[in-house]
Amino acid sequence: EVQLLESGGGLVQPGGSLRLSCAASGFTFSSCGMMWVRQAPGKGLDWVSGISGSGGTTYYADSVKGRFTISRDNSKNTLFLQMNSLRADDTAVYYCLCVSVTAGGQGTLVTVSS
Amino acid sequence: QSALTQPASVSGSPGQSITISCTGTSSDVGLYNLVSWYQQHPGRAPKLLIYDVTNRPSGVSNRFSGSKSGTTASLTISGLQAEDEADYYCNSYTSSSTRVFGGGTRLTVL
Repeated sequence: EVQLLESGGGLVQPGGSLRLSCAASGFTFSSCGMMWVRQAPGKGLDWVSGISGSGGTTYYADSVKGRFTISRDNSKNTLFLQMNSLRADDTAVYYCLCVSVTAGGQGTLVTVSS
Repeated sequence: QSALTQPASVSGSPGQSITISCTGTSSDVGLYNLVSWYQQHPGRAPKLLIYDVTNRPSGVSNRFSGSKSGTTASLTISGLQAEDEADYYCNSYTSSSTRVFGGGTRLTVL
């Protein structure tokens, strides 16, 4: 079964850090360009960051550039998102997605609040 | 980067076909054949339906198809079913080496 399992979310104070993980299974992870997207409560999807299959190329939305870092470990079929200097407007459910494979996850909730 | 433009809502009856449009600019939809479509049911993760304008991932029904003309991409759902009722989002690669989503379209099956 093709699956993506996000983890690492939680409640953090403004200025704090979190590291999200996404464990992939059921497909050739290293062949998949991956991305993180987020969805604030009651809002639409918001693209956050992307990474090539090899991990050699990364992309970031302007809103997170310099604060978030995307990476991957193809030997462990895992995608990461290191989030620093978190702000209240980063509060959302975060999903990892492959750009060419339909894979389901459940997302992980990040809440930034004092 | 501004969001892509989608209609807020569309509707159709079971068995009918509907089309959802996604309008961008010459810096995103019009420049690259890198448009994707996602389906999202309430409380669920988005599901990839179409990538690279017309490609359907393994496991996705052939009732879903994609196309593009100029700066507008389209998703067509044929043989509408009750289970298709969901939110649909388009997404495009941009000249800034980022991706951008549309605002989403709520599909109601009458």
